Amino acid sequence: NAGVTQTPKFRILKIGQSMTLQCTQDMNHNYMYWYRQDPGMGLKLIYYSVGAGITDKGEVPNGYNVSRSTTEDFPLRLELAAPSQTSVYFCASSYSDRDLGGYTFGSGTRLTVV
Amino acid sequence: AQTVTQSQPEMSVQEAETVTLSCTYDTSENNYYLFWYKQPPSRQMILVIRQEAYKQQNATENRFSVNFQKAAKSFSLKISDSQLGDTAMYFCAFMTPGPGNTGKLIFGQGTTLQVKP
Repeated sequence: NAGVTQTPKFRILKIGQSMTLQCTQDMNHNYMYWYRQDPGMGLKLIYYSVGAGITDKGEVPNGYNVSRSTTEDFPLRLELAAPSQTSVYFCASSYSDRDLGGYTFGSGTRLTVV
Repeated sequence: AQTVTQSQPEMSVQEAETVTLSCTYDTSENNYYLFWYKQPPSRQMILVIRQEAYKQQNATENRFSVNFQKAAKSFSLKISDSQLGDTAMYFCAFMTPGPGNTGKLIFGQGTTLQVKP
């Protein structure tokens, strides 16, 4: 049981480049989330999904896009990377909204935009 | 808007001693859940303990316990018999359940705890 798998673990992007952060879970969880964690700060919600085909914006969605074509995958797309997007990105999943916050987190992707 | 505040950016404690991390939150909801997550240097987020607001009894998990003061909107974490492996960043988080809720967690800014030998 792999849980939540994020790739890549590290990435350096140049300003204006694009990339996709991959997130896959094998627990048949309906709910998936993308958070970003800036240095010394808490996690802020970027986008979330309550099931395949359903996505919605979180607190800081600007500059990002997501899709949820399958239950397992929830990729995060960065278009036209900017230095402000330098952060650690976490994907998480839960079975339902009543999972009492028992998220399963991925190990994170450290992204640097230069 | 719901907010979570951790007013202690950094704390330290001697091994085997007890330390308390503070968290306050703001909400108009009556039913909600509160959590403490641990993030060690490995970056992995680990759920430490959770509390349902409708339960008056404070949650405990081995050496970890909370002091939940609903009226004061306070939710502190007490770590007893601190161990070197407790060195980590600790996040307080909040969630409201119910119809239309999507399980979103709202996190505080975090408290970095250093356990000294």
